[in-house]
Amino acid sequence: EVQLVESGGGLVQPGRSLRLSCAASGFTFDDYAMHWVRQAPGKGLEWVSGISWNSGSIGYADSVKGRFTISRDNAKNSLYLQMNSLRAEDTALYYCAKDGVYCSSTSCPAGYYMDVWGKGTTVTVSS
Amino acid sequence: EIVLTQSPGTLSLSPGERATLSCRASQSVSSSYLAWYQQKPGQAPRLLIYGASSRATGIPDRFSGSGSGTDFTLTISRLEPEDFAVYYCQQYGSSPGTFGQGTRLEIK
Repeated sequence: EVQLVESGGGLVQPGRSLRLSCAASGFTFDDYAMHWVRQAPGKGLEWVSGISWNSGSIGYADSVKGRFTISRDNAKNSLYLQMNSLRAEDTALYYCAKDGVYCSSTSCPAGYYMDVWGKGTTVTVSS
Repeated sequence: EIVLTQSPGTLSLSPGERATLSCRASQSVSSSYLAWYQQKPGQAPRLLIYGASSRATGIPDRFSGSGSGTDFTLTISRLEPEDFAVYYCQQYGSSPGTFGQGTRLEIK
């Protein structure tokens, strides 16, 4: 069974940092791009960042560019999101998601659509 | 970035009826790279449709997607009680990928 389990969320003060992790299992992790998607309380979905299987292609939403860094460790089947300079508007449930397209060439994009989602980890930015 | 506008914001229908949800893009979505997701309260989103019209694994055939360019539609042919949820479209043809604001499908 394909499974994604996020961790690392919590309450953090504005301006501080937090690192989210996502543990993947049940599929060949390094055959797929991965994504982070967030959902503010009572709001819709917002794509945050995506990374290709070999980290060769990375993309960010404008709202987090320069503050957040996505990375992956294929040996550990893990995805990460380093979040710096956090703001109140970053408060959300953060989902890790697997890309739906198999791509293992050297020039894969940073992802397409998301076919498997974790349950999410909550980040609250408040003083 | 491409802005997706979903309509209506809320759709009130009864089980057994047909639902038609719209997603309009501010510019053409390349290669019909459009997906639809369903989200129920307290749950993660679930992929329904990708490539504008391809059903994801395990999705009942009462769900269908259509459209191209800037106009896309999700149709649920006969609503079942479990179909009442929020639906989002997402374009992945250009970076950054973007979601629509969602359509809430509620029981009338």
